[in-house]
Amino acid sequence: EVQLVESGGGLVQPGGSLRLSCAASGFTFSYSDMHWLRQAPGKGLEWVSYITYSSSPIYYADSVKGRFTISRDNAKNSLYLQMNSLRAEDTAVYYCATDAGGNRPYWYFDLWGRGTLVTVSS
Amino acid sequence: EIVLTQSPGTLSLSPGERATLSCRASQSVSGTYLAWYQQKPGQAPRLLIYGASSGATGIPDRFSGSGSGTHFTLTISRLEPEDFAVYYCQQYGSSPLTFGGGTKVEIK
Repeated sequence: EVQLVESGGGLVQPGGSLRLSCAASGFTFSYSDMHWLRQAPGKGLEWVSYITYSSSPIYYADSVKGRFTISRDNAKNSLYLQMNSLRAEDTAVYYCATDAGGNRPYWYFDLWGRGTLVTVSS
Repeated sequence: EIVLTQSPGTLSLSPGERATLSCRASQSVSGTYLAWYQQKPGQAPRLLIYGASSGATGIPDRFSGSGSGTHFTLTISRLEPEDFAVYYCQQYGSSPLTFGGGTKVEIK
């Protein structure tokens, strides 16, 4: 089955860190550009970060630049998001998603996971 | 940043009826680079439409998209029970990517 499964969410204090994982199966992960997106409670969707199949280049939303780090391990079919210096406004469900493009990114998303909830609160 | 405004916020319809969802952009979306997604509670979002009017793989043909510039529409020709969900539009023609706030299609 083609799927993405996120894990690693939870409750963390402001200023703390968390590492999210996304396990891919059913498709050739090593050929796929990947994204992280998030959705705050009761809010719309927000793009967070992008990584190519080869791990370069990488892009971040301004709201997380300098605090979050995206990475991947193609041998493990896994995508990661290291989140440091977390703030209350980072509270959201975090989704991993595949870019719909092939030879170049298309910047829309054709496969999503169900998400993992990150809550930043004291 | 392009702001996408979806309307109505909630659409109350019965199965078999036609649903028309609107997505308006604060400035022109270049290249009709607009996508639509469906999201059900606790499930992953699903890509329905890309390029404003192209159906994604496996999407029933009752879903159609249209529009250009600043006004886009998602139409569901005859609502099936499984179509009651939240729908989001997304523009990918300009950085940063942006999403609309969503339209909830609920059973009347």
